[in-house]
Amino acid sequence: EIVLTQSPGPLSLSLGERAILSCRASQSVDGNYLAWYQQKPGQAPRLLIYGAFTRATGIPDRFSGSGSGTDFTLTIVRLEPEDFAVYFCQQYGNSPSITFGQGTRLEIK
Amino acid sequence: EVQLVQSGAELKKPGESLKISCKGSGYLFTAYWIAWVRQMPGKRPELMGIIYPNDSDLRYSPSFQGQATISVDKSINTAYLQWSSLKASDTGMYYCARQVATIRELDLWGQGTLVTVS
Repeated sequence: EIVLTQSPGPLSLSLGERAILSCRASQSVDGNYLAWYQQKPGQAPRLLIYGAFTRATGIPDRFSGSGSGTDFTLTIVRLEPEDFAVYFCQQYGNSPSITFGQGTRLEIK
Repeated sequence: EVQLVQSGAELKKPGESLKISCKGSGYLFTAYWIAWVRQMPGKRPELMGIIYPNDSDLRYSPSFQGQATISVDKSINTAYLQWSSLKASDTGMYYCARQVATIRELDLWGQGTLVTVS
């Protein structure tokens, strides 16, 4: 099983700043089958990025994904109020052997 | 509208049985896998298993094999997750989600069903 570790712990930033979230895998993620999800309180996760860098339908270009192998990054520029949430990375090399990271909480400073 | 709509919150006692549902609409239900995902409060999501409605191909995550049963009725575009004897440790939020192939992301999620066993 691939273990995903996200950093940093809670991330406190101000509106308009840039957030950089990291996801490290315990072994290489084949095919860059890595996704990022946003989850707000009381809501289901929402797909942001798949294939490590492809934005899902309707996701603004303030969100971008990068990385390969074992190290992946989600970058959010020009933070807006609705961006403050928990973000999970997920590898989907071969369902049901899908795993998620523990999440990074993005908080308003 | 493309959506997955889940059944409502449940409060059950230990030992009781339960079946929750997930109904797809606005897309070809039989062309996508349905995944069931558990999320405990404040924890990461965990994939329990997946089912392909077209032929009922069913695959469980090893961690959840035997814990609950996944099924589907493609005639009414509905997938199910059921327990025969609930435990307190089954308390959590359960989501269904759509996946176009087993090596693809979960691109559409239901709103979740909160199951409380107490």
